[in-house]
Amino acid sequence: DVKVTQSSRYLVKRTGEKVFLECVQDMDHENMFWYRQDPGLGLRLIYFSYDVKMKEKGDIPEGYSVSREKKERFSLILESASTNQTSMYLCASSFLYGAPLKNIQYFGAGTRLSVL
Amino acid sequence: SQQGEEDPQALSIQEGENATMNCSYKTSINNLQWYRQNSGRGLVHLILIRSNEREKHSGRLRVTLDTSKKSSSLLITASRAADTASYFCATASNTDKLIFGTGTRLQVFP
Repeated sequence: DVKVTQSSRYLVKRTGEKVFLECVQDMDHENMFWYRQDPGLGLRLIYFSYDVKMKEKGDIPEGYSVSREKKERFSLILESASTNQTSMYLCASSFLYGAPLKNIQYFGAGTRLSVL
Repeated sequence: SQQGEEDPQALSIQEGENATMNCSYKTSINNLQWYRQNSGRGLVHLILIRSNEREKHSGRLRVTLDTSKKSSSLLITASRAADTASYFCATASNTDKLIFGTGTRLQVFP
């Protein structure tokens, strides 16, 4: 079974802190994604990576950065956390488009971040 | 950019009844997927239907796709309390990215 592991289920941080959210997948997937999920807004893509050191902005990249130094690990960084970044953060991974499973995404359990 | 819109936003039914939720989208797609999310957890893939397919079954799940109306429906037959969750549609065009809808919250009462 595919496993996508997010390092923390719950995090509480202070405004202005630098926050790292870590995600590791064990299926050798090329693609990794970071989403945030807010009530009534569904999932919104923050950043996407299709290879090591490669990244692409999603719909809401402002206030976030990412790092992918190894294929299995994708980190989301909040450079200076703000209260409007309080949310549920979901990491996902998938094979490259064109693979037989046709871009099905596999998700971690999520990190609920509160910024006070 | 929100592609999929689910309808209804919330649905409450009794065990044994069927649950139907709908998804509408805006642009042409390669495939459409349905995911389930238990409260406070990550999403789990349920079923994928390609743009050239009209109907697909998986256990108690039945998905239909009407590309002319840009809509899909997910039917869960003989629902169980364990089916209580949020359900999301997600559309894929010719990229690796999926665009998710806002979800339908399903509550199944024993």
